Amino acid sequence: AQKVTQAQTEISVVEKEDVTLDCVYETRDTTYYLFWYKQPPSGELVFLIRRNSFDEQNEISGRYSWNFQKSTSSFNFTITASQVVDSAVYFCSLSGNFGNEKLTFGTGTRLTIIP
Amino acid sequence: EAQVTQNPRYLITVTGKKLTVTCSQNMNHEYMSWYRQDPGLGLRQIYYSMNVEVTDKGDVPEGYKVSRKEKRNFPLILESPSPNQTSLYFCASSSYQAQNTGELFFGEGSRLTVL
Repeated sequence: AQKVTQAQTEISVVEKEDVTLDCVYETRDTTYYLFWYKQPPSGELVFLIRRNSFDEQNEISGRYSWNFQKSTSSFNFTITASQVVDSAVYFCSLSGNFGNEKLTFGTGTRLTIIP
Repeated sequence: EAQVTQNPRYLITVTGKKLTVTCSQNMNHEYMSWYRQDPGLGLRQIYYSMNVEVTDKGDVPEGYKVSRKEKRNFPLILESPSPNQTSLYFCASSSYQAQNTGELFFGEGSRLTVL
């Protein structure tokens, strides 16, 4: 069975600080995909990134970066120089071979950026 | 505009009164899925569909039915709603095209209250 653990329920940081959201996963599949989604206060879910199990290269997109380490089954998300607009609930998720089949979400981390 | 449309967005109903939450996407996506979001539990998959007439159970299918008679529509049916089905429901779709990132496109959510 698949499992995604986001141990940080809530995090608060002061604006411009860096913050890392942790994600640890469990799966028996050799091919799998990892995702991060953002849910701002307005409630919609916004796709941020997908990473497949064969690609351990870290990725950077503006102030966002992701660190994927198969050895520790982790897929952590870092926001550099945080802004108030980053305040949201962030979900890490995991799926099997097709990318979306049986997608499993973590319980989410609520990030609050204090002005 | 590419979108996933859910209706109704808000609904208050009573135990046992059958209801249907509709979901429609205009992106010709093969994959569609339903999730429920509950505090502290994140998003849990109810049912998913890989294509027309192909559906399968997610992690929490009890009390729900789905059908996929057309590619664009994936209604969620609660035959006899109970208070424990009070939740925020999301419909999502995605494509299996090779160049696709695996991004899930979510609807805006349907908040259901069962009294």
